[in-house]
Amino acid sequence: GAGVSQSPSNKVTEKGKDVELRCDPISGHTALYWYRQSLGQGLEFLIYFQGNSAPDKSGLPSDRFSAERTGGSVSTLTIQRTQQEDSAVYLCASSLQGGLQETQYFGPGTRLLVL
Amino acid sequence: DAKTTQPNSMESNEEEPVHLPCNHSTISGTDYIHWYRQLPSQGPEYVIHGLTSNVNNRMASLAIAEDRKSSTLILHRATLRDAAVYYCILRRSGAGSYQLTFGKGTKLSVIP
Repeated sequence: GAGVSQSPSNKVTEKGKDVELRCDPISGHTALYWYRQSLGQGLEFLIYFQGNSAPDKSGLPSDRFSAERTGGSVSTLTIQRTQQEDSAVYLCASSLQGGLQETQYFGPGTRLLVL
Repeated sequence: DAKTTQPNSMESNEEEPVHLPCNHSTISGTDYIHWYRQLPSQGPEYVIHGLTSNVNNRMASLAIAEDRKSSTLILHRATLRDAAVYYCILRRSGAGSYQLTFGKGTKLSVIP
């Protein structure tokens, strides 16, 4: 079946603009995760959704970052007033229910460049 | 969180076995050992996981030391497609168990 998809695959924006990144998880997966991978920081957790609820937003780096999930499916990560340090690859993953032994399936990522 | 230590890089010849080590001396009894890998320009992908016993799947084998303070990911016959960064990750039940905490991993180069 289809894997996790993300769009756009690449995004170039100017400092101060808002961007929206989209994630389509694997159908039937209730757990959804956002991670960020930057050169200086490696892969870091941002937020976790169980259904449409986000019980853990602790990884969001600032209040400029927000995320939502609708219909227990698609999720959008929004970055307001982008800064150059936001440049990174944003990765989305999903798993069946969020269990400890479950595999997280990652999408190909959105490469964000803030000029 | 329990910490893992991996070599920064390793090299292997194509079609040779590869043993990727991971130290996790502060592992607790309920921590699962997971391995993911990330091929160039792709998202991470699951490789294997285990708790106490050695595990085998179509991609690799996982050998876990008896005291669980270390583990080894074994690729039985490296191919060029196995060139990737390999991450050893501990997952503990309780708060935050759903997130994967990635370290720096081991960058595996495969020489033709």
